[in-house]
Amino acid sequence: GAGVSQTPSNKVTEKGKYVELRCDPISGHTALYWYRQSLGQGPEFLIYFQGTGAADDSGLPNDRFFAVRPEGSVSTLKIQRTERGDSAVYLCASSRSGASNTGELFFGEGSRLTVL
Amino acid sequence: GENVEQHPSTLSVQEGDSAVIKCTYSDSASNYFPWYKQELGKGPQLIIDIRSNVGEKKDQRIAVTLNKTAKHFSLHITETQPEDSAVYFCAASKGRTSYDKVIFGPGTSLSVIP
Repeated sequence: GAGVSQTPSNKVTEKGKYVELRCDPISGHTALYWYRQSLGQGPEFLIYFQGTGAADDSGLPNDRFFAVRPEGSVSTLKIQRTERGDSAVYLCASSRSGASNTGELFFGEGSRLTVL
Repeated sequence: GENVEQHPSTLSVQEGDSAVIKCTYSDSASNYFPWYKQELGKGPQLIIDIRSNVGEKKDQRIAVTLNKTAKHFSLHITETQPEDSAVYFCAASKGRTSYDKVIFGPGTSLSVIP
């Protein structure tokens, strides 16, 4: 199983609750991305990590969204005070970096979040 | 920032016919243009990409063309098969070896009718 792993695959929560979504990238991939995909739409960029640091978080919609990658491998996307509009599939992707980077993003199957 | 548009949003073709999907981008600094295929319940998967120093690239039944002057690029699938049915996304980025976020179009749902 060498692919990107995301858990949970499905999460149903109530408005106002806190949610954590986890991403386990491909071993050796130093770059990690979070995207959000609403029904019938393309993936929307949220945040990118190079190693442990967030290199670009310009896509996070507001301060209720936060992501960490403390050891440069697994990442957690955290959503506070969830709203119904946060309902979407949250996709994680990883890629190689530097000279071995082909540009290809390897996506997980996503975590489907439903806020009631 | 970069904006990627894609047409058509849905496309139905008979098995064996060709399918063409067209995209435009707004940022003239973009230089890397990947295409991803997404099957139901799965994450997107890269099928082909093209860089700005190349006008056309082909891989078996799939080809991409790029017109940098007009800022548009297209995906061509020949001899379509039922397993080509999926959602296809074009995307644009300012980097391949150096980082830049990949911006996706809204997608084209392709149905290949047996």
